[in-house]
Amino acid sequence: KAGVTQTPRYLIKTRGQQVTLSCSPISGHRSVSWYQQTPGQGLQFLFEYFSETQRNKGNFPGRFSGRQFSNSRSEMNVSTLELGDSALYLCASSLAVGPGGLWFFGPGTRLTVL
Amino acid sequence: DQQVKQNSPSLSVQEGRISILNCDYTNSMFDYFLWYKKYPAEGPTFLISISSIKDKNEDGRFTVFLNKSAKHLSLHIVPSQPGDSAVYFCACREETSGSRLTFGEGTQLTVNP
Repeated sequence: KAGVTQTPRYLIKTRGQQVTLSCSPISGHRSVSWYQQTPGQGLQFLFEYFSETQRNKGNFPGRFSGRQFSNSRSEMNVSTLELGDSALYLCASSLAVGPGGLWFFGPGTRLTVL
Repeated sequence: DQQVKQNSPSLSVQEGRISILNCDYTNSMFDYFLWYKKYPAEGPTFLISISSIKDKNEDGRFTVFLNKSAKHLSLHIVPSQPGDSAVYFCACREETSGSRLTFGEGTQLTVNP
């Protein structure tokens, strides 16, 4: 079974631009969550989706948004990019909903903002 | 406000010896705890977990210990192998927040042959 895939794997943008990252979950998984990883900060929760509905949202500014499609694929968008948005963005999918689910992570998208 | 902390950014051990990775948390509402391992250019992979109703869980070479009163968990790897060299993240989950995970900063483990 194919794992979680994320595209693109690497991205370079300049300040003020916007970016869209894509995530395809494991087949059959309907829950998708996004995390931002920066050096020394661990993984910071961005959002979680299930059946096209946002179930949970982390403490990020409104420039960060996401959505999930009917086929469970998910996208996240960052508008008006800042230097501090440079990070590894990880997507994870889960079969179950709620606390019992085990999350499987993709390889991430490395975003560099210049 | 860092609710989950891994105070050691790095740890180096000899092959065959024990590796002990530590994690402290402040939120008493956390009820489920996990360890993930991450290799470069890959996403984190689930390693082992423990519920707050237990104080120990073992899976092969990996054992997780939970001390709820101290709000501390640790991962023991015995014996350590060079292939265990990776970044290890502890993660905590609060039942009321659904399946959202709160991660520590990670510890880079290096196992020397």
